[in-house]
Amino acid sequence: QVQLQESGPGLVKPSQTLSLTCTVSGGSISGGSYFWSWIRQPAGKGLEWIGRIDASGIINYNPSLESRVTISVDTSKNHLSLDLRSVTAADTAVYYCARELYSMVRGVVNSQFDSWGQGTLVTVSS
Amino acid sequence: DIQMTQSPSSLSASVGDRVTITCRASQTISKNLNWYQHKPGRAPKLLIYAASNLQSGVPSRFSGSGSGTDFTLTISSLQPEDFATYYCQQSFSTITFGGGTKVEIK
Repeated sequence: QVQLQESGPGLVKPSQTLSLTCTVSGGSISGGSYFWSWIRQPAGKGLEWIGRIDASGIINYNPSLESRVTISVDTSKNHLSLDLRSVTAADTAVYYCARELYSMVRGVVNSQFDSWGQGTLVTVSS
Repeated sequence: DIQMTQSPSSLSASVGDRVTITCRASQTISKNLNWYQHKPGRAPKLLIYAASNLQSGVPSRFSGSGSGTDFTLTISSLQPEDFATYYCQQSFSTITFGGGTKVEIK
């Protein structure tokens, strides 16, 4: 069973770059028809999708964050990374990585997040 | 972006109760709707995908229905392990989530 684990600094200063890594174990990041996403949740608020990447390098970003975000994948290390530039206190959140599976169900193409990491809290503060 | 509105935002229920959570999309999303269960400090868990399909390993007391803009998650008989926050999520366009429904013990 695939497992995902986020890692990175828990504290980032305003205006700097938040960098996180998601290590995938129990399966290859290159195997299957999967995308790999970053999702965040500020305290007391809902979930916000940041962006996704697949093993071939196809990338989609949330337009609301696109100007500040870079997601990359390293298939040799079986991990994906997130860089979020010019952070402010509003970027304080628990950050999750998740595997996104596309499937055809009764003629409907759907995608769903079928595996998630436990999340890592990143606080933006001086 | 497609806005997802869940109701209620919280509810209190007893073990054995039937619980219904609704999710409304700001525009039609066909059946591109998923439901997740989230407990504090844990990874969110996929319950239902494509509106009504039970994820492997999820108990059959969970069910989903709906299409277009209106969707429902039902727990037929609430169990102690079901107290958690539930989120809907649409995959029709740029992914968005509902605000969550916290299910608490009455």
